[in-house]
Amino acid sequence: GNSVTQMEGPVTLSEEAFLTINCTYTATGYPSLFWYVQYPGEGLQLLLKATKADDKGSNKGFEATYRKETTSFHLEKGSVQVSDSAVYFCALSDRSQGAQKLVFGQGTRLTINP
Amino acid sequence: DVKVTQSSRYLVKRTGEKVFLECVQDMDHENMFWYRQDPGLGLRLIYFSYDVKMKEKGDIPEGYSVSREKKERFSLILESASTNQTSMYLCASSLPGTGVGNYGYTFGSGTRLTVV
Repeated sequence: GNSVTQMEGPVTLSEEAFLTINCTYTATGYPSLFWYVQYPGEGLQLLLKATKADDKGSNKGFEATYRKETTSFHLEKGSVQVSDSAVYFCALSDRSQGAQKLVFGQGTRLTINP
Repeated sequence: DVKVTQSSRYLVKRTGEKVFLECVQDMDHENMFWYRQDPGLGLRLIYFSYDVKMKEKGDIPEGYSVSREKKERFSLILESASTNQTSMYLCASSLPGTGVGNYGYTFGSGTRLTVV
């Protein structure tokens, strides 16, 4: 079946540090891949997405590249801010299976210290 | 601005009460979902619906039911609330079929339910 594995948190960084949150997936078809962000006390918001291999999604300084050869979609940001403190979820949708649901990773809590 | 609106941000209920959590979306989405979120357990799917009057069980449906009488509204019902149902509840909606892969879900802001 389809699954998403994220690096375990929590992750704590200093402001202006480089961020990587690892995400790998297992899918039987051709998934779309997503990163969602959840700020404290809020619901999830779509951060970025990629719908086919080698696509790069980007938003708010965050980037992730869809790597079919390594089945990965790692989230990166060059210089994090305190306001980036949140929980980040990687997710996939496997269109070839006719699935209409997203499969989520467990989430990674990120804390940025000033 | 398109929205998924959950009726309450915070709710406190007593054990044994019947609890209704309401979710309304204004995007004309066919698909709607209810998740609960607990520390260390991620998002767990309770119920979902692909059409009016249609419902399907997710991974943890026990103790819950749902109602979808209109396309825009999806209600989660706790038949007899228990303390182990204290959690953050998240509603989401999406387009059908390939729309999920192209656009993902839109989530509401969540309802933090405490059962005492």
